[in-house]
Amino acid sequence: LAKTTQPISMDSYEGQEVNITCSHNNIATNDYITWYQQFPSQGPRFIIQGYKTKVTNEVASLFIPADRKSSTLSLPRVSLSDTAVYYCLVGDLIYSTLTFGKGTMLLVSP
Amino acid sequence: GAVVSQHPSRVICKSGTSVKIECRSLDFQATTMFWYRQFPKQSLMLMATSNEGSKATYEQGVEKDKFLINHASLTLSTLTVTSAHPEDSSFYICSALPRRTGAYEQYFGPGTRLTVT
Repeated sequence: LAKTTQPISMDSYEGQEVNITCSHNNIATNDYITWYQQFPSQGPRFIIQGYKTKVTNEVASLFIPADRKSSTLSLPRVSLSDTAVYYCLVGDLIYSTLTFGKGTMLLVSP
Repeated sequence: GAVVSQHPSRVICKSGTSVKIECRSLDFQATTMFWYRQFPKQSLMLMATSNEGSKATYEQGVEKDKFLINHASLTLSTLTVTSAHPEDSSFYICSALPRRTGAYEQYFGPGTRLTVT
C-alpha cells in the first residue's frame, strides 16, 4: 500500500480557502486517492475521491497532477465547523482496505 | 443514504468480561465490513475485514480469538471483545462497503467508546 505524507496540522480563518497537500510517491497504477474528514469521537466521513486531474463535488475539490505523486484537497471558504482531522488515503479500490496515515489537523479560527 | 449505525455508542465493562458491538448498514447491503480501532490522538488502525458468510481476515497483530467478528448478514456485523482488559479500552469504528457496481466509498459508523475498568 502506498504510504502517504501530510502536514500534521494547519491553521486557517473563516472564509479562507484551505489547501491540504498529500504526498504519495509510490502510488500504484490501480490506486485511487480518497480523502476523509473526522471529528472527535466520530467515524470518518467521506469527502472526495479521484484518480487523476481534478474532481469537484459540493464540498471540496481534489487536484491530482499528471504524475499522481501528490494530491491537494481544496476546501473553499472554510467555517469553524470545518475544524477536524483530514486523512488522505491511497489504495486499490478492488481490495478496498484503507490504511490511515496520521492525518492533518485543521483548525479554523474566527 | 448510506448510513451505518453502531450499538452501543458507549460501553463500560469490568475487566474479564466480554462486550459485543454491533455494526449495521441501515439503507444498503454491504459486501464487506471493516473494523477499526482508534486510540486517543492517534489514527485509525484496521483490525479486520469481514465478508458476509465467511471468516474475517485479521490484520497482523490482532488476536482473532480475542476479537471475534461475525458477519451474519449483508447488513450486520458484530465485534465481540472477549475477556476485555483495560488496554482494550479504545474507540472502535466499523465501516461498510456498499454492494453495488462502482461503489468504492466506505461508509463509517459513529464509533463505540469502550472503557474497561
